[in-house]
Formats: sequence, C-alpha cells, structure tokens
Amino acid sequence: DARVTQTPRHKVTEMGQEVTMRCQPILGHNTVFWYRQTMMQGLELLAYFRNRAPLDDSGMPKDRFSAEMPDATLATLKIQPSEPRDSAVYFCASGQTGTGEHEQFFGPGTRLTVL
Amino acid sequence: DAKTTQPPSMDCAEGRAANLPCNHSTISGNEYVYWYRQIHSQGPQYIIHGLKNNETNEMASLIITEDRKSSTLILPHATLRDTAVYYCIVRLRDNYGQNFVFGPGTRLSVLP
Repeated sequence: DARVTQTPRHKVTEMGQEVTMRCQPILGHNTVFWYRQTMMQGLELLAYFRNRAPLDDSGMPKDRFSAEMPDATLATLKIQPSEPRDSAVYFCASGQTGTGEHEQFFGPGTRLTVL
Repeated sequence: DAKTTQPPSMDCAEGRAANLPCNHSTISGNEYVYWYRQIHSQGPQYIIHGLKNNETNEMASLIITEDRKSSTLILPHATLRDTAVYYCIVRLRDNYGQNFVFGPGTRLSVLP
C-alpha cells in the first residue's frame, strides 16, 4: 500500500557535520511537510511545499537548515552544520490538495542524534 | 487557527469505550475539528475529522457539540494497540493543504 518513506531511519553524527534527510511522498500527492518532534517542543512544522514550491519555512532556522524538492518524488531536509540541539525525530508528511486535503500521511521519521 | 485544550492523560480499560474530550471554545465557523494519534515511535496517523455533524468511520466516532465549542472522540472498544497520544486540532477549511498545528495532546493508556 502507498506510504511515505524516509531515509535514513536513524542517524548519529558529530556536531558540525552535514546531515541530509530524504523523503519520498506518496505518488500523486502535491503537498509535503517537514515536522520536527522533541520532548520539550512537541511536533513543530519546519517547512511546507505545495507543487514543489516552498510556501512556508518560517519554522526553520535559516542559517543552518534548508529544504528542497528537486522533483515530485523527493524532498530533502539538510542541516549544515549540525548542532546537539538539532537532535530530534524528523517527520515528513504528504497530502493532496482539494478533496484530499483533510488527511496528511506521515512517514516513520528519521531519528537524529548529534553528539 | 483556534487553540484546543485536552487533558494530558487518560486511562481506559481494554474493551471499554474511550471518550477523549477536547475544548475549542474559540473555533470559527469555517474551521474543522481533526483528530490524529501517534503511537510510540511512529508518525502521527489521521483518525477522523468533522465540521458540525457527528462523524463515524471504521476507527472512531466524533461527536461535536451543537455550539461547536467542544468535541469528543470515541473509540468504541479500546484495545491495547490504541495506547497512543491523541491530538485534537482545529484548522481552517481550505483546499490548499495547510499544515496541522499539533498541541501536547492526550496520552491514552489502555489497560488490560
């Protein structure tokens, strides 16, 4: 069945290193969201794309985070340089505007640990 | 988007109905009520949504009060697999696929 996939599922890295997380949205979906979840802050939106165009990235630290959709089947979230406070679970979700806009489908997440 | 208030935690006996309340007293006429849940270590999962009528699907029922200021999610026969954090969200009605704003939710523990 169709599902959102994310890679890697787990990533341990050292402070200062670049981290790239990838997401494959469900085929045919035209909205993609990146959320971050920590114990302290809960689930927060980082970035939001519609038809591959970035619509809202106000939740993202601009100096170190970047999000892109090079094509309709791939979304990336990059952190450079990474810091220990970036340790979190990063979820990607996809959805469909119009009649499908009520439901977002979440991936399994990437658990990032920055040492 | 209107804010919601949920109890931080609830317990429910296995096989019984779980009734999860949500207050959204500042909801506007064009905002939907949504429920998602997050089972440990997984991404959130859509459960149900409604505007003003009660709704039912294979997972749950959603009861919205007539004034729309509160709602209740009902899991009719809770199982251990229903142990999760349940999020009540209100979001503007549109067709442009906006994001959901998740609060702390209610941690439901289904007990054997």
